[in-house]
Amino acid sequence: GEKVEQHQSTLSVREGDSAVINCTYTDTASSYFPWYKQEAGKSLHFVIDIRSNVDRKQSQRLTVLLDKKAKRFSLHITATQPEDSAIYFCAASMETNAYKVIFGKGTHLHVLP
Amino acid sequence: EAAVTQSPRNKVAVTGGKVTLSCNQTNNHNNMYWYRQDTGHGLRLIHYSYGAGSTEKGDIPDGYKASRPSQENFSLILELATPSQTSVYFCASGDAPSGQYFGPGTRLTVL
Repeated sequence: GEKVEQHQSTLSVREGDSAVINCTYTDTASSYFPWYKQEAGKSLHFVIDIRSNVDRKQSQRLTVLLDKKAKRFSLHITATQPEDSAIYFCAASMETNAYKVIFGKGTHLHVLP
Repeated sequence: EAAVTQSPRNKVAVTGGKVTLSCNQTNNHNNMYWYRQDTGHGLRLIHYSYGAGSTEKGDIPDGYKASRPSQENFSLILELATPSQTSVYFCASGDAPSGQYFGPGTRLTVL
């Protein structure tokens, strides 16, 4: 079945720098790629998504890039702030079953002062 | 604002006991989901539903049942709880393919 790999378990950046979190997926039929943020001790909340009909989507300081040929997508956070510190999960759902979303294991982003 | 609530928020159960986790959503979403979160495994899908009366198996359904009696409510049932089911459980709602709204989570400890 579909697998979503998140290659960095931890990422540390200095406040104000950019952070990039990378994910890969295995099923070429995947068509929807959401990202979620989980702050310490809290639940997950949706932050941004991208669909397979585009290769780039931006929302304020967040940008998602999708490379369908490489089956890779990434979350870029510019001008990082302390409140960006959290676990970020990437996910993918397949064209054949949009209900079923497969999550990566998460990347713990630390924004250092 | 979309709202998903879960009860109880914390639960301690004994091995072999029955546990029911409840979820309620006011988003009027068709789809609801139950996940568990464990260190090293991320988020894993247990059961999901695409409407009242339906339940589907996710990736790790063994030992769990689900019930969707209405659009708003989705329950996860552990008929015979085991220590391996100690985890944090999240319910979510969302109409595919779009972002999901997560509840606050239930911390379950099975002794």
